[in-house]
Amino acid sequence: AQKVTQAQTEISVVEKEDVTLDCVYETRDTTYYLFWYKQPPSGELVFLIRRNSFDEQNEISGRYSWNFQKSTSSFNFTITASQVVDSAVYFCALSEVNTGFQKLVFGTGTRLLVSP
Amino acid sequence: GAGVSQSPSNKVTEKGKDVELRCDPISGHTALYWYRQSLGQGLEFLIYFQGNSAPDKSGLPSDRFSAERTGGSVSTLTIQRTQQEDSAVYLCASSSYQIVNGYTFGSGTRLTVV
Repeated sequence: AQKVTQAQTEISVVEKEDVTLDCVYETRDTTYYLFWYKQPPSGELVFLIRRNSFDEQNEISGRYSWNFQKSTSSFNFTITASQVVDSAVYFCALSEVNTGFQKLVFGTGTRLLVSP
Repeated sequence: GAGVSQSPSNKVTEKGKDVELRCDPISGHTALYWYRQSLGQGLEFLIYFQGNSAPDKSGLPSDRFSAERTGGSVSTLTIQRTQQEDSAVYLCASSSYQIVNGYTFGSGTRLTVV
């Protein structure tokens, strides 16, 4: 069965601190995709990144970086030098080949509060 | 359109009434998805469409919930005889056939059943 666990319900940091959001997933498929989405207070989900199961290279995009480790079934997200605008709920999600990648299973989200 | 449009943005209804929620996907997107987000919870998959057909309805919570899509475009999610536990934000998303670039989500419809 597919499952995504985000154990951190809420994280509070002060601006300019680095913060890592954890994501652990379960799947029986060898082919799958992992995603991160951001949900700001406005409510709309914003796509951040997709990673396929065959590519374990870490990725960096500006202040954002992602660490994918199949050995620990984790896909963690780090924000460097956090800013107030980073305050949002962040969701990790999984999509498997056995559903034709047509269903995203989401974690329960991590609420990030960045204070000035 | 430029994005996924959902209407209404907010809906307050009395328990027992039927409601219809509308989703207008991005033009050309063949796949359309409905999710539900209850307060403080993650996103719960409801149903997805490929064109006008729904290969996976496994997430619909009960037979009070139904959805249709016409013309490979607009979709309507209908909840009959609403209950208070149906109160949630209903999110619609669309994608091209290759989901690999992720879904594009609408802003959602906040449904409150009183």
